[in-house]
Amino acid sequence: DVKVTQSSRYLVKRTGEKVFLECVQDMDHENMFWYRQDPGLGLRLIYFSYDVKMKEKGDIPEGYSVSREKKERFSLILESASTNQTSMYLCASSFTLLMNTEAFFGQGTRLTVV
Amino acid sequence: DQQVKQNSPSLSVQEGRISILNCDYTNSMFDYFLWYKKYPAEGPTFLISISSIKDKNEDGRFTVFLNKSAKHLSLHIVPSQPGDSAVYFCAASVGGNKLVFGAGTILRVKS
Repeated sequence: DVKVTQSSRYLVKRTGEKVFLECVQDMDHENMFWYRQDPGLGLRLIYFSYDVKMKEKGDIPEGYSVSREKKERFSLILESASTNQTSMYLCASSFTLLMNTEAFFGQGTRLTVV
Repeated sequence: DQQVKQNSPSLSVQEGRISILNCDYTNSMFDYFLWYKKYPAEGPTFLISISSIKDKNEDGRFTVFLNKSAKHLSLHIVPSQPGDSAVYFCAASVGGNKLVFGAGTILRVKS
């Protein structure tokens, strides 16, 4: 079974802090994604990566950055956390972009910025 | 501008009856469509998908229908069970690229 693991289920951070969300997948997937889920807005793509050290902006990249130093690990960084970044963050992975295939999600990180 | 729309925020169905969840899209380049199911405090799990070359795909109690001319797809669950109560997300992609999600529909199956 594909496993996508996010390092924390719940996080509480202060405004202005630098926040790291970690994600690891064990299926040798090329693609990895970070989404955030907000009520009434569904899942919105923040950043994705199709290879090590490669990254592409999604629909809402402002205030975020990412790092992919190893194939299995994709980190989301909130440079200076703000209250409007309080959300559920979901990491996902999938095989090559050239294939129509589903993405597998982690269990999510509920981040609260106070 | 939402490319994938789920216009019903919630749906309530009696156990044993059919649940029909709807999804509309605007991008005619989408060629792959998926449904995900999500329980509270968990990540979404893949349910069923359909390629744009097909108009129906079935997997047990779940069937997805695609109407390309209307840019509409639907998920049918028959019979509905209480364990099906969850948020259902419709998603679409172009050529296996990033998935674009709808806002989700909360399904409640009453026993």
